Amino acid sequence: DAGVIQSPRHEVTEMGQEVTLRCKPISGHDYLFWYRQTMMRGLELLIYFNNNVPIDDSGMPEDRFSAKMPNASFSTLKIQPSEPRDSAVYFCASSLRRPNQPQHFGDGTRLSIL
Amino acid sequence: AQKVTQAQTEISVVEKEDVTLDCVYETRDTTYYLFWYKQPPSGELVFLIRRNSFDEQNEISGRYSWNFQKSTSSFNFTITASQVVDSAVYFCALSEGAARSGGSNYKLTFGKGTLLTVNP
Repeated sequence: DAGVIQSPRHEVTEMGQEVTLRCKPISGHDYLFWYRQTMMRGLELLIYFNNNVPIDDSGMPEDRFSAKMPNASFSTLKIQPSEPRDSAVYFCASSLRRPNQPQHFGDGTRLSIL
Repeated sequence: AQKVTQAQTEISVVEKEDVTLDCVYETRDTTYYLFWYKQPPSGELVFLIRRNSFDEQNEISGRYSWNFQKSTSSFNFTITASQVVDSAVYFCALSEGAARSGGSNYKLTFGKGTLLTVNP
């Protein structure tokens, strides 16, 4: 079975540019999560969706960050404008509908903002 | 608020040694779930185990075993006869168990992780 698919795997761009990260969750999973991983702060939950609806975006750091889930098989995380401090690995994860089910993670996108 | 502490930042062992990774958690809930994830050098996060707060039985899966003790709020992970392929960062995580408005029981709080290096 296909796991969570993220693209791109690596992204290098200059400060001020718009960055769009993409995620395809596991088919049949109702929940989708976006995380950011840095050395300083570890793994942080940014936002999560249930049935394509954002449930909790309290972890989104600033208005420069936005996330959408137009359908059950696709989500985007956008940063506009990007800044060097946004450099991190961004993970997408999905899980089944029942609470406390394991979250299954994608391979992550390594983002570098110059 | 939930909190997960992995006091060991880095551990280095020689192959075939046993190693235990510590995890201490804090929560006000009586129902909660604990998880362990592995992050190998390639970077992906791999789910290892989930345990609920009502099940204190230790679990063994091959060379892996987990010791859950509510009295000390700990959920430790032991690798027996470690191998080089076990080298990774290991994360302990916690989620609330009770159904709450807003669905907070779907959120994971991660520890900072323990970097395990197994040397040949």
